[in-house]
Amino acid sequence: KNEVEQSPQNLTAQEGEFITINCSYSVGISALHWLQQHPGGGIVSLFMLSSGKKKHGRLIATINIQEKHSSLHITASHPRDSAVYICAVNGGSQGNLIFGKGTKLSVKP
Amino acid sequence: NAGVTQTPKFRILKIGQSMTLQCTQDMNHNYMYWYRQDPGMGLKLIYYSVGAGITDKGEVPNGYNVSRSTTEDFPLRLELAAPSQTSVYFCASSRGLAGRETQYFGPGTRLLVL
Repeated sequence: KNEVEQSPQNLTAQEGEFITINCSYSVGISALHWLQQHPGGGIVSLFMLSSGKKKHGRLIATINIQEKHSSLHITASHPRDSAVYICAVNGGSQGNLIFGKGTKLSVKP
Repeated sequence: NAGVTQTPKFRILKIGQSMTLQCTQDMNHNYMYWYRQDPGMGLKLIYYSVGAGITDKGEVPNGYNVSRSTTEDFPLRLELAAPSQTSVYFCASSRGLAGRETQYFGPGTRLLVL
């Protein structure tokens, strides 16, 4: 069983839709990261959170430490949001990150 | 600031050949990491470094070596390339330990071993 599970694996949405990507983990952590991998391959960090909720523009990330679950929401989705979204937790050896397999999002105009 | 840079962007190797993947960061970060990303899989940690002169193995270190002689540079060495090392390699850096600090990624190196 993977220590970090993301759902769905693939997601297709129409422009303007509200999107939710889920992440569940099985290890004890103190921080969870959401990253975005562009179609060209580059990876950027979106959020790091250890409790509650964070918001940046149209992106919102929430975490429930007790339930070992996090969600990434995108409001008013746009084709430029098309990317792979990756969840990672600091549950690895020496506090290093363990990554989920990613959720591939495609937003159609 | 250029951030994290990697060279080359793409390379084809024959089985048994050797090569070094270069990684440089200009943010004065102490922590640096090498990951590999295989199709349909999450990123896996190969090696990491907490500062110049200090390196440690990650989850999948076999077949690789690293060194960290300066804060800026963290090269990854493949000694005897094998088809199983075909992957995309990402270098990353952070101010503190990855779990508690934002990681900054390089653009990646796509390696094909034939």
